[in-house]
Amino acid sequence: EAAVTQSPRSKVAVTGGKVTLSCHQTNNHDYMYWYRQDTGHGLRLIHYSYVADSTEKGDIPDGYKASRPSQENFSLILELASLSQTAVYFCASSVHSAETLYFGSGTRLTVL
Amino acid sequence: GQQVQQSPSSLVLQEGENAELQCNFSSTATQLQWFYQSPGGSLVSLLSNPSGTKHTGRLTSTTVTKERRSSLHISSSQTTDSGTYLCAIDRNTGYQNFYFGKGTSLTVIP
Repeated sequence: EAAVTQSPRSKVAVTGGKVTLSCHQTNNHDYMYWYRQDTGHGLRLIHYSYVADSTEKGDIPDGYKASRPSQENFSLILELASLSQTAVYFCASSVHSAETLYFGSGTRLTVL
Repeated sequence: GQQVQQSPSSLVLQEGENAELQCNFSSTATQLQWFYQSPGGSLVSLLSNPSGTKHTGRLTSTTVTKERRSSLHISSSQTTDSGTYLCAIDRNTGYQNFYFGKGTSLTVIP
C-alpha cells in the first residue's frame, strides 16, 4: 500500500518566519501534490510535481514555493509565513495524473 | 465558479439507515473519485467512478457523465461511517489533477 509520510504533524510559526513542510513517499509515484484544507473551502491545490527537480503551480501558489529534489521527497516552503496561511496541509501522491491519490496524514500549521 | 458541488452539506442518520450523497460538477470530467475523511482528518480514496455504477462493500457509486452528476450510496450505515465524504473530478486539461468539493459531513448515531 502507498505510504506518504508528512512532517511535522503540527507546527506553530510566527508571522514572517520561514516554514518548511516535508513529504516523503515510498511507492515510486511520479506525481506528488500539496493541498491546503480550510473550513469552507475544501481542498485546494497549491503546487504539484510530476518529475524530480520540477514543480508546477496549482490554483493557489502565491506565498508558497515547492521543491522536489528526488522522486520520493516533496517540500512546501513558506518563506514569509502569514496569518492567512493557517490551515491543514496535505501531501498526496499518485502513479500518474488523475489516478488514485494517496494522502499523507496532514500537517496542521498555525501562524501567530 | 465552483467546479464541484456536493449535497447535502451534512447528514445525520440512525445506524442501519442508508445514505445518499450527491456530487454535481460543472465541467466535463474524465475521472471522478470519492474520498473519505475521518473525524481525525486522514483522507483515503474510496473508489474511482468516472461513469456507470461501481460497488465496493456497502458503497455504490453511480455516475452519469452526460448529466455531470455522481452519487454515493452507503447501505446499512454504521457509526464508523461517520466522517466527511469528498467528491473530486479531474481537470481534464494538461497535467490532470483534481478539483474537490467541500464534502458531505455524515454522522451516524447508534
